Amino acid sequence: SAVISQKPSRDICQRGTSLTIQCQVDSQVTMMFWYRQQPGQSLTLIATANQGSEATYESGFVIDKFPISRPNLTFSTLTVSNMSPEDSSIYLCSARGLAGVGTDTQYFGPGTRLTVL
Amino acid sequence: TQLLEQSPQFLSIQEGENLTVYCNSSSVFSSLQWYRQEPGEGPVLLVTVVTGGEVKKLKRLTFQFGDARKDSSLHITAAQPGDTGLYLCAGMSGYALNFGKGTSLLVTP
Repeated sequence: SAVISQKPSRDICQRGTSLTIQCQVDSQVTMMFWYRQQPGQSLTLIATANQGSEATYESGFVIDKFPISRPNLTFSTLTVSNMSPEDSSIYLCSARGLAGVGTDTQYFGPGTRLTVL
Repeated sequence: TQLLEQSPQFLSIQEGENLTVYCNSSSVFSSLQWYRQEPGEGPVLLVTVVTGGEVKKLKRLTFQFGDARKDSSLHITAAQPGDTGLYLCAGMSGYALNFGKGTSLLVTP
């Protein structure tokens, strides 16, 4: 299985500021994703992080608000820009396509709990 | 986005009881995954089912994928307090993993 770490694990931020979340996978993976989980809710896919090209965003999410980088096969960042209290959520990094494991098997990081005041 | 309906939404049982959680959709999935999530942590993968009719067992947990690959169930035998958590099913369609809303399970001693 893949081990995924995220930094920071939690943060409290002021309205209007930006936060960059880092995601590190311990093995090379073909696909990386970013999800959001609002309190008491299920997971919503924000975007697919593509290596060396622009991320693919789901409906309702835009690059200006959630810029994403993926410089290599094990690392990605998600920035939450110009934050408002509505952005308070858990942000989860996820990865799939680990060598030797079925291509559908998807793993998740521990999440970053963001509170915006 | 294909919808996955999970039932029940909440379940509170006593230690030793059996339970079944259902995950249903009108869409066909190439695979379906079950996760358990504890408060403050990310979802932890329990199982991936790929073949219609497939049954997988993980200790006291039994997972079944429907013949038509549209639904799945999770059965827990003799539940333990350590089984407490949010159980999420997620179906793979194309590149995306679509999640149900989850079943919150509480097992009391």
